[in-house]
Amino acid sequence: GENVEQHPSTLSVQEGDSAVIKCTYSDSASNYFPWYKQELGKGPQLIIDIRSNVGEKKDQRIAVTLNKTAKHFSLHITETQPEDSAVYFCAVNTGFQKLVFGTGTRLLVSP
Amino acid sequence: SAVISQKPSRDICQRGTSLTIQCQVDSQVTMMFWYRQQPGQSLTLIATANQGSEATYESGFVIDKFPISRPNLTFSTLTVSNMSPEDSSIYLCSVSLAGATGEQYFGPGTRLTVT
Repeated sequence: GENVEQHPSTLSVQEGDSAVIKCTYSDSASNYFPWYKQELGKGPQLIIDIRSNVGEKKDQRIAVTLNKTAKHFSLHITETQPEDSAVYFCAVNTGFQKLVFGTGTRLLVSP
Repeated sequence: SAVISQKPSRDICQRGTSLTIQCQVDSQVTMMFWYRQQPGQSLTLIATANQGSEATYESGFVIDKFPISRPNLTFSTLTVSNMSPEDSSIYLCSVSLAGATGEQYFGPGTRLTVT
């Protein structure tokens, strides 16, 4: 089955710095790659996604890049703010609308 | 997106008992899913809740332990049966609105502690 690796497991940055989280996957048939943000005590929130026919997608301070050949995709957060502190999960679709999640990255943004 | 609610938001239960978790969506959706998130861990898919038929379970999860119902397009329940402390987790429902690669939106989760 699909295997999704996510790195790093924890990431500490200063406010205003950029943060990058990377995920690799194994199934070349996967074609949908969402990113979720989970704050303490809440359910995961879809923040951005990318499909296999696109190499990059941006939404204000966040962007996602996809390298299908290398089977990896990354989340980029620029000008980080303390409210960006959360756990971020990547995911990859497999089968009919199912998602397999990465192991998560705990991002801490210090003022 | 969709507004998804879950009941209860949290519960503390005794070993050997069962708990039923409800998931309600504010609009009709194509797919509903149930996930488990063990403390400090990632999300693991338990099953796909099929409207009007038996749920489709992932490897490692069985109907006797996690019976699921989906009587209509906006509501589903997950029961955690004969609970043990190892069942202490966050249980999340999610819904998909679109086609084969549709976005999934999550409810707030139910935090279950089994003593």
